[in-house]
Amino acid sequence: GAGVSQSPSNKVTEKGKDVELRCDPISGHTALYWYRQSLGQGLEFLIYFQGNSAPDKSGLPSDRFSAERTGGSVSTLTIQRTQQEDSAVYLCASSPLRAQPQHFGDGTRLSIL
Amino acid sequence: GENVEQHPSTLSVQEGDSAVIKCTYSDSASNYFPWYKQELGKRPQLIIDIRSNVGEKKDQRIAVTLNKTAKHFSLHITETQHEDSAVYFCAARDSGNTPLVFGKGTRLSVIA
Repeated sequence: GAGVSQSPSNKVTEKGKDVELRCDPISGHTALYWYRQSLGQGLEFLIYFQGNSAPDKSGLPSDRFSAERTGGSVSTLTIQRTQQEDSAVYLCASSPLRAQPQHFGDGTRLSIL
Repeated sequence: GENVEQHPSTLSVQEGDSAVIKCTYSDSASNYFPWYKQELGKRPQLIIDIRSNVGEKKDQRIAVTLNKTAKHFSLHITETQHEDSAVYFCAARDSGNTPLVFGKGTRLSVIA
């Protein structure tokens, strides 16, 4: 694929439901990052993966948030028991090994009713 | 950990004028400084980056300068055009694949 692919592009769900967001990085990119962007705000780091392991989970806002990556490729960000404050755009980025630039996907716009 | 401050938060310039956005960082180990442009409803896109072994880098109308001693770096856009209107984010990180730490963004409006 040409770039980082995220799905769904939009997700509307009721408060209390669980959601799964998917990121398919650029082929061959070993590093994968999740960020959250609230309306009109900056980019808040959530978690990053090097291969299948997550050296830094410090940005996850609560234990309702989790992420996994299998096969060194696709990653899933799961939010359990969603709250209205979880409404945001969730952006994924990937980069090759050794400090190359990060490239972003189009994001998933999550709306919690 | 790293902390990145970005100023101004909003900037309006006349078309054809120059725009300058400034960022400071706190971690002297940081050595990679990219700038991203985000148009409304779209993904952030890398427009230019600089590493700590150089002081300035140019790409057509865009340039970035880095002062390691003062721990600040700036984005310069010359001869601004309407399509330069967007939110610009600076970021910093140290070596390896550690996450970028972003500034809060600057909303640039280029007025005809």
